[in-house]
Amino acid sequence: EPEVTQTPSHQVTQMGQEVILRCVPISNHLYFYWYRQILGQKVEFLVSFYNNEISEKSEIFDDQFSVERPDGSNFTLKIRSTKLEDSAMYFCASSEAEYEQYFGPGTRLTVT
Amino acid sequence: AQSVTQPDIHITVSEGASLELRCNYSYGATPYLFWYVQSPGQGLQLLLKYFSGDTLVQGIKGFEAEFKRSQSSFNLRKPSVHWSDAAEYFCAVVSDYKLSFGAGTTVTVRA
Repeated sequence: EPEVTQTPSHQVTQMGQEVILRCVPISNHLYFYWYRQILGQKVEFLVSFYNNEISEKSEIFDDQFSVERPDGSNFTLKIRSTKLEDSAMYFCASSEAEYEQYFGPGTRLTVT
Repeated sequence: AQSVTQPDIHITVSEGASLELRCNYSYGATPYLFWYVQSPGQGLQLLLKYFSGDTLVQGIKGFEAEFKRSQSSFNLRKPSVHWSDAAEYFCAVVSDYKLSFGAGTTVTVRA
């Protein structure tokens, strides 16, 4: 069964460093998303991406964040200068249509 | 804005007993509703969804959910719980390309 994959599973970085989280969505899906879950809190929407552009973003997704689909298979989330409060589990998701989203296993980002 | 509320933070249930997790939604139009499960250290797995039609929907792992417009609810049920059902369960509603999740209900299964 096709699935969303994410790498790395765990990333430790120092405050102020740039990180890139990688995702490989399900191959025939057209919509791509990033969510995050701070420990003990709700899963929060960050951004959605369709047709090579951002279709929606939350207030969390400020100028420090960017997304890219550099080739036909990868979908990346870049955090330009990490802060302590960026420590969270980051989930990538994809969907064939707008609604039924399938999630990857997540990348745990720890900012020290 | 659309939102979901899960009133129960934690539920403990005996193995073999029935389980019901509550979810209430706030949404102007017909909502598209989902239940996801997150096992410890794992990602979010889609259990079931409701878009329209039959208000009782069947999902994976023996789960079902019933959409009740009059009560703005979409409760998840399982007739007989297995130890492997211990996990966190999230109700979610989709709008404008994004899912809004409830706070989650942690289910503990005792032997």
